[in-house]
Amino acid sequence: EAGVTQSPTHLIKTRGQQVTLRCSPISGHTSVYWYQQALGLGLQFLLWYDEGEERNRGNFPPRFSGRQFPNYSSELNVNALELEDSALYLCASSLFTYTEAFFGQGTRLTVV
Amino acid sequence: EDQVTQSPEALRLQEGESSSLNCSYTVSGLRGLFWYRQDPGKGPEFLFTLYSAGEEKEKERLKATLTKKESFLHITAPKPEDSATYLCAVQAGGGSNYKLTFGKGTLLTVNP
Repeated sequence: EAGVTQSPTHLIKTRGQQVTLRCSPISGHTSVYWYQQALGLGLQFLLWYDEGEERNRGNFPPRFSGRQFPNYSSELNVNALELEDSALYLCASSLFTYTEAFFGQGTRLTVV
Repeated sequence: EDQVTQSPEALRLQEGESSSLNCSYTVSGLRGLFWYRQDPGKGPEFLFTLYSAGEEKEKERLKATLTKKESFLHITAPKPEDSATYLCAVQAGGGSNYKLTFGKGTLLTVNP
């Protein structure tokens, strides 16, 4: 069974640009979560989507946004990139809201 | 605000030297606690879910336990391949307030 897949694996962007990261959940999973893991800060909760709706978001500015498609895949958009947005962006999915989440390998974003 | 604190931040063991990692938490409405293992540059790998005080789970050399305020990950006779960062996450809240909050992790190094 395929796990959570994320694309691209690595990305280099210039400050001020916009980026879109993609995530395909495990088949049958309807909840998708996005986390940011910057160096030394641990995993910070970004967004939670379930059944196509945004259910909750963490303490991030509005330039971080996303959506979930009818097939439950998801994308994370970051506008007006800043240097401190450089991080590993992780997507996870779960079968139901309160069950364990399984993570993808992440997208390493570097902003220069 | 939900808080998860892991200790120690780093732990160095000799192969075969057993030890424990600690995860203490302050949350309202705990629904579950998860342990993950993360290798450098990779996404977290799910290990265990614990739902109630007194519960224990085992997998190979790892055993996770849960009390009302903390969880322990016991590592028995570790091997070099157990070297990784171990993350604890608590699942709290309900409805739109639900989220998974991670600790900063314990970096475990097992020397041969």
